[in-house]
Amino acid sequence: NAGVTQTPKFQVLKTGQSMTLQCAQDMNHNSMYWYRQDPGMGLRLIYYSASEGTTDKGEVPNGYNVSRLNKREFSLRLESAAPSQTSVYFCASSALDRVGEAFFGQGTRLTVV
Amino acid sequence: AQSVTQLDSQVPVFEEAPVELRCNYSSSVSVYLFWYVQYPNQGLQLLLKYLSGSTLVKGINGFEAEFNKSQTSFHLRKPSVHISDTAEYFCAVRSGGSEKLVFGKGTKLTVNP
Repeated sequence: NAGVTQTPKFQVLKTGQSMTLQCAQDMNHNSMYWYRQDPGMGLRLIYYSASEGTTDKGEVPNGYNVSRLNKREFSLRLESAAPSQTSVYFCASSALDRVGEAFFGQGTRLTVV
Repeated sequence: AQSVTQLDSQVPVFEEAPVELRCNYSSSVSVYLFWYVQYPNQGLQLLLKYLSGSTLVKGINGFEAEFNKSQTSFHLRKPSVHISDTAEYFCAVRSGGSEKLVFGKGTKLTVNP
């Protein structure tokens, strides 16, 4: 059982380049999340999606866009990468009947130079 | 808006000693509270959760936490730690009626021999 799968695992971008981080879950979960993790800052919520077709901003949405393509997939796009977006990005999902029990992917380590 | 404060960024302890990791939350409505653990270079996994009912909740690996509504706290405890408990621990809160899951900045627990 794969759980939450993120691709890629590592990425180096130049300032101004764009890219999309992919996330897919095979647990039939309704809610999906994107977080970034920075030293001393914990996990900060970028965007979340409570159900297919809906997305909402979290704490730090600026510079990012998301798409909930279907129930399984939730992608995060950086339109014009900046060094401040260097971080580890985690995707997570949770089920309606398992309140707050989020399952996490292994993370994407992104470096913007 | 909901928020979580983890009072200690780092906690060093000796093996077999007891440990308490502190967490305070703020929310204007009913809350669900969680503790997650992150081992090096991995995603997060759920340790335990408080949804309702008994204020003392038990989780995996011998950890437990107590919900204290009057002090808005949800401290994590273990009576005797092992080297393998070395990890970063995150407290998280979700308000009733919201899918938004917000994390604290984390506490790094280091267990020394």
